[in-house]
Amino acid sequence: QKEVEQDPGPLSVPEGAIVSLNCTYSNSAFQYFMWYRQYSRKGPELLMYTYSSGNKEDGRFTAQVDKSSKYISLFIRDSQPSDSATYLCAMSEFGNQFYFGTGTSLTVIP
Amino acid sequence: DTEVTQTPKHLVMGMTNKKSLKCEQHMGHRAMYWYKQKAKKPPELMFVYSYEKLSINESVPSRFSPECPNSSLLNLHLHALQPEDSALYLCASSHSSGGGDTQYFGPGTRLTVL
Repeated sequence: QKEVEQDPGPLSVPEGAIVSLNCTYSNSAFQYFMWYRQYSRKGPELLMYTYSSGNKEDGRFTAQVDKSSKYISLFIRDSQPSDSATYLCAMSEFGNQFYFGTGTSLTVIP
Repeated sequence: DTEVTQTPKHLVMGMTNKKSLKCEQHMGHRAMYWYKQKAKKPPELMFVYSYEKLSINESVPSRFSPECPNSSLLNLHLHALQPEDSALYLCASSHSSGGGDTQYFGPGTRLTVL
């Protein structure tokens, strides 16, 4: 079983839709949770960073962590064509390396 | 400033060439990473430097040789590569090695081995 599972998609939504991206994980020791956005042929860009459980909001983006279910989500409100990219979740346990999901490819159609 | 820079952006090399990739950050981070990323795959960890010392080597072939000259710089020396080594090579940095912080990535070097 992989440490982190993420549905690769592809996911296609109309402009203005709410997008929900999810990851599950198996290691209950993970404490730090990240979402990255990666445009084609570019490096990953940090979008959201959350410690432990709870919600975090930044503009149109909301990250949720449910440690009891080992489940994290990223919500994108009012999605725009410029949000079309691959979204990677990542997580870590203090003092150890980072574990990535496989990435979900998102296309927002104008 | 949360910028990690990488040079060159693109590199084409033959299997007998020797080349180097460079990475720089000025965020005061003490951990730096090299990742390899193939198309439609997540980044795959290669090396981790913590306080300028190699702390993780994920069984990477010796044709890849990392170097950390100081806390801001990270190099990856390449020699006798194979065509299957063609990929996007990403550098990242964080305050410390692993959790308690997050990683910031550079834009990557797209490497093609002929």
